[in-house]
Amino acid sequence: GEDVEQSLFLSVREGDSSVINCTYTDSSSTYLYWYKQEPGAGLQLLTYIFSNMDMKQDQRLTVLLNKKDKHLSLRIADTQTGDSAIYFCAEIRMDSSYKLIFGSGTRLLVRP
Amino acid sequence: DVKVTQSSRYLVKRTGEKVFLECVQDMDHENMFWYRQDPGLGLRLIYFSYDVKMKEKGDIPEGYSVSREKKERFSLILESASTNQTSMYLCASSQDRFKSSYNEQFFGPGTRLTVL
Repeated sequence: GEDVEQSLFLSVREGDSSVINCTYTDSSSTYLYWYKQEPGAGLQLLTYIFSNMDMKQDQRLTVLLNKKDKHLSLRIADTQTGDSAIYFCAEIRMDSSYKLIFGSGTRLLVRP
Repeated sequence: DVKVTQSSRYLVKRTGEKVFLECVQDMDHENMFWYRQDPGLGLRLIYFSYDVKMKEKGDIPEGYSVSREKKERFSLILESASTNQTSMYLCASSQDRFKSSYNEQFFGPGTRLTVL
């Protein structure tokens, strides 16, 4: 179907790792994205991965891509209270529209 | 520093009113987008535009129209606001796909619209 799916909520303790999961639908998507939305703000691109990669690491962030299962994950190491936000997974439609399809967002709460 | 601005952060309107939401970007981007964000539903695309005076329907265009008279400005219009249009509205812009390697969209801070 059309939906990009994510769980709605994740709670972790400060210092632990967070893992946010996503399943997408378009196997021909060239890029997959993670956007972050802090309270009262718009979305900001956190990281992205090209479809020919399995993994991408950027400081505390690790993105894993399983193309066979159409599964994307975002791992945040040493999670801080400033990481509390909503995280959106998105895929790009490879038709003429080239538009982004967003998941419902996962609200990450980091407990002190 | 790239910037997408939206005319209002909060707006309260009455049912039946005509509502204009304005979005301006200063990055000379070709593409502009309007989304609405509702809890548990994520972002849903209302309309988008690839160039001045061009517009394309997104996934939920009913009850909305748009205008793009200048490259930097994209307006969302609610001809006759209804209570089910109470939502957060987000504007975004991006470079033309042939110029951008990974098609990042840049978002404004959002307008929270309440229709009474």
